[in-house]
Amino acid sequence: SYVLTQPPSVSVAPGKTARISCKEDNIGDKGVHWYQQKPGQAPILLISYDSDRPSGIPDRISGSNSGNTATLTISRVEAGDEADYYCQVWDSTTDHWVFGGGTKLTVL
Amino acid sequence: EVQVLESGGRLVQTGGSLRLSCAASGFTFSNFAMNWVRQAPGKGLEWVASISGTDVNTYYADSVEGRFTISRDNSKNTLYLQMDSLRTEDTAVYFCAKSRRMDVSLFDYWGQGTLVTVSS
Repeated sequence: SYVLTQPPSVSVAPGKTARISCKEDNIGDKGVHWYQQKPGQAPILLISYDSDRPSGIPDRISGSNSGNTATLTISRVEAGDEADYYCQVWDSTTDHWVFGGGTKLTVL
Repeated sequence: EVQVLESGGRLVQTGGSLRLSCAASGFTFSNFAMNWVRQAPGKGLEWVASISGTDVNTYYADSVEGRFTISRDNSKNTLYLQMDSLRTEDTAVYFCAKSRRMDVSLFDYWGQGTLVTVSS
């Protein structure tokens, strides 16, 4: 079955760039979606189909997907970006949605 | 404005049953698939079940297959999750999420969740 591997934590200084990976064999063949969840809140959709931003999501947030790795990139990181981030794909072999384990972003 | 609001979570004993509801507004409910996702205390997101807009297709995580049933009443704009044979490991906040299309697709709006606690 599909298992999406994310680093448990990423730390970055304000104003720098954070990159969060999501890995699985041939993930580049699938559409990857990214969600942000702040403590005590519901998740929100950040990126759809690898790199599309829903309306209201700032353009300093971007996504890419190739080979075995999908990446969420947050440029000019702000304190308000501290949150948990999850990647998600549809596994058409099993007809299951799969979430990555999540990455906690800490702004130093 | 799109809104989904979960209800029905409470403390229940091991082996018991519970039905969660999700009231939707601000969109044409029958045109979109709907989903349940849960999050155990201090843990990550776990997909539970999905249902197409027409109620034709349902999908379940292996961990709940045969115990949980997802359904919807398009006349009431409401999504349900019938949970039977509950286990302690089902303890979690259960989120309702709207899909972007009528069948399998990403989750574009989420509710705030309802807490289910299963205890012996």
